[in-house]
Amino acid sequence: DAGVIQSPRHEVTEMGQEVTLRCKPISGHDYLFWYRQTMMRGLELLIYFNNNVPIDDSGMPEDRFSAKMPNASFSTLKIQPSEPRDSAVYFCASSAARTTSTDTQYFGPGTRLTVL
Amino acid sequence: KNEVEQSPQNLTAQEGEFITINCSYSVGISALHWLQQHPGGGIVSLFMLSSGKKKHGRLIATINIQEKHSSLHITASHPRDSAVYICAVKGGYGNKLVFGAGTILRVKS
Repeated sequence: DAGVIQSPRHEVTEMGQEVTLRCKPISGHDYLFWYRQTMMRGLELLIYFNNNVPIDDSGMPEDRFSAKMPNASFSTLKIQPSEPRDSAVYFCASSAARTTSTDTQYFGPGTRLTVL
Repeated sequence: KNEVEQSPQNLTAQEGEFITINCSYSVGISALHWLQQHPGGGIVSLFMLSSGKKKHGRLIATINIQEKHSSLHITASHPRDSAVYICAVKGGYGNKLVFGAGTILRVKS
C-alpha cells in the first residue's frame, strides 16, 4: 500500500488567497484526521471523519477553515482567505478502528504551508 | 496545565546509552500512543498501549493506568534514534488524540 498521500507537499501563497490541501487515506480505513503542527502549539487535531462524516470539528480554528470528505478515498482542507498565522505543517492521518480504543493512526508526509 | 506532559523536553545522549522519556496525563484514557517524528518531518506510530508493556526491537513502552504515566525506553541508543518523540492520549476526548509537546532526542556518536 502507498500509505496516506498528501498533496501538495509544499505550498507558498500570499495572504488572502485560497489554499486547498488534499489527502488520500489508506484504502479500507474508515477514520480520517486532519492535524496542524506549529512550533508554538505542537500537533493539534483540527477535524476528523468517520465513514466520510465529520465527527468532531472543534479544533478548526475559525470559519476560514473548512474540510470535506466527498468519498472514502479523498478529503480536502480549505483555507479561505489564508493568513500568515496559518503557516504550519498540515498532516492527514487515517486509521481502521474496529473499536475506538485499538486503532493505530497512519500519518501522511504532511503539507508545509507558508502564507506570506 | 497541559493535559499531556512530557519530560524531558530535550535530551542528548551518547551512543549506547539507555534512554527514558516520560509522559503524564491528567484524565482517564482508553489508549496512549508513542509517535516518532523524523528530522525530515514524517511521523511514525511506534506503539499503542492500553495497559502493561510492549517491546519492539530496542524500544520498550510501559504504561501505568493508575498513576496516569507512561515511559518510552530506548536500549543501546544509536544516532539514527535522533528524532522527536511524541506522546498522545485518547479516550477522555472521544476518538481524537491529544498530544504532548514532544521530546527532542539527539544521540551523539
